[in-house]
Amino acid sequence: GESVGLHLPTLSVQEGDNSIINCAYSNSASDYFIWYKQESGKGPQFIIDIRSNMDKRQGQRVTVLLNKTVKHLSLQIAATQPGDSAVYFCAESPGAAGNKLTFGGGTRVLVKP
Amino acid sequence: DTGVSQDPRHKITKRGQNVTFRCDPISEHNRLYWYRQTLGQGPEFLTYFQNEAQLEKSRLLSDRFSAERPKGSFSTLEIQRTEQGDSAMYLCASSAGGVNYGYTFGSGTRLTVV
Repeated sequence: GESVGLHLPTLSVQEGDNSIINCAYSNSASDYFIWYKQESGKGPQFIIDIRSNMDKRQGQRVTVLLNKTVKHLSLQIAATQPGDSAVYFCAESPGAAGNKLTFGGGTRVLVKP
Repeated sequence: DTGVSQDPRHKITKRGQNVTFRCDPISEHNRLYWYRQTLGQGPEFLTYFQNEAQLEKSRLLSDRFSAERPKGSFSTLEIQRTEQGDSAMYLCASSAGGVNYGYTFGSGTRLTVV
């Protein structure tokens, strides 16, 4: 079936540096993409989203880039902080009005002080 | 309203027993979703409700699984004759529409089948 996957299972980053988390997706019909952060013992928490008609979107300290040609999604976190340590998932949906999210396998980000 | 609530947070059960989990969505959300998450993996969609109607079920939802949302508010997920492979985190989410309408996850119920 269609799937969303991640390249790196674990990313160690120095506090203050920028982090980049990558994700590949396989469903070319996907129209809406979301990045989630999940801390231990908690549910996924929304970070930022992007529609397929965009290639970049910025939030507070986060930027999502979408390359539809190669079906690649990335999340950039600027000035990574200890509170950013978590597992990050990308997810896709056939549209913003869709109901079902397909998640990738997750990347663990460890921020070193 | 403090978000999506799930109960219990943890459940340990013996193989073959039945278990039931509860989810209370955000009060104004008419859509409710169940996902299953195993260690190191992303959540996998199980089923969703719009009000009291169950509109979609994943093939992951075997005959031993049943979900209800009788009054269009809280939902229950029951697993009958639990197996060790059912051990996972069961996540509930709710939204006021699709994924772009305040889609919010609860903290989940962690099930361990021994």
